[in-house]
Amino acid sequence: AQSVTQLDSQVPVFEEAPVELRCNYSSSVSVYLFWYVQYPNQGLQLLLKYLSGSTLVKGINGFEAEFNKSQTSFHLRKPSVHISDTAEYFCAVSLIQGAQKLVFGQGTRLTINP
Amino acid sequence: GAVVSQHPSRVICKSGTSVKIECRSLDFQATTMFWYRQFPKQSLMLMATSNEGSKATYEQGVEKDKFLINHASLTLSTLTVTSAHPEDSSFYICSAEDAGPYSGNTIYFGEGSWLTVV
Repeated sequence: AQSVTQLDSQVPVFEEAPVELRCNYSSSVSVYLFWYVQYPNQGLQLLLKYLSGSTLVKGINGFEAEFNKSQTSFHLRKPSVHISDTAEYFCAVSLIQGAQKLVFGQGTRLTINP
Repeated sequence: GAVVSQHPSRVICKSGTSVKIECRSLDFQATTMFWYRQFPKQSLMLMATSNEGSKATYEQGVEKDKFLINHASLTLSTLTVTSAHPEDSSFYICSAEDAGPYSGNTIYFGEGSWLTVV
């Protein structure tokens, strides 16, 4: 079975500061990796995904994530955050077969302070 | 982009009654939809996979007779919580797979539905 651990439940940062949201996963087989964002009262929106190829993945809104197989991590980063980035962020994995069944982490609440 | 809509966004029902939540894909056809449940400050847990025209596939530990799923058309899946109890109070989220030829099998999520059973 797969599991996902998001190490920080809440991350407060100041506007224009860099941020890293941590995600580690556990799986005995290869997986696809995803980051989703949930703004208040909205559905989940895909930020980026790693399927194969380059381990550095760029997504929307200036976010990027790096897949590290040896450390089983997929940390999300942004060099300079904005107030509008305040949201809940979810890391998720899926099996390569049956790819659309997602296993989610607990979520990280990113709060941007002015 | 593609939109998935859930209705209602919030619902309060009395213990012992049934409540239905709808999940609609507004601008694409979805042969497969997924229902998740999220407890406060916890992760989203997949409850079941809803397949158009066939029975849903439930995850281990999810009572199929309690959480009835119907996927009668390519744009609508419904989740009915039967004989609801306070412990069924939760945030329910659906997602839909756009299996169109140019979609890359992208998954779109609904806004979620808050269910409170009193």
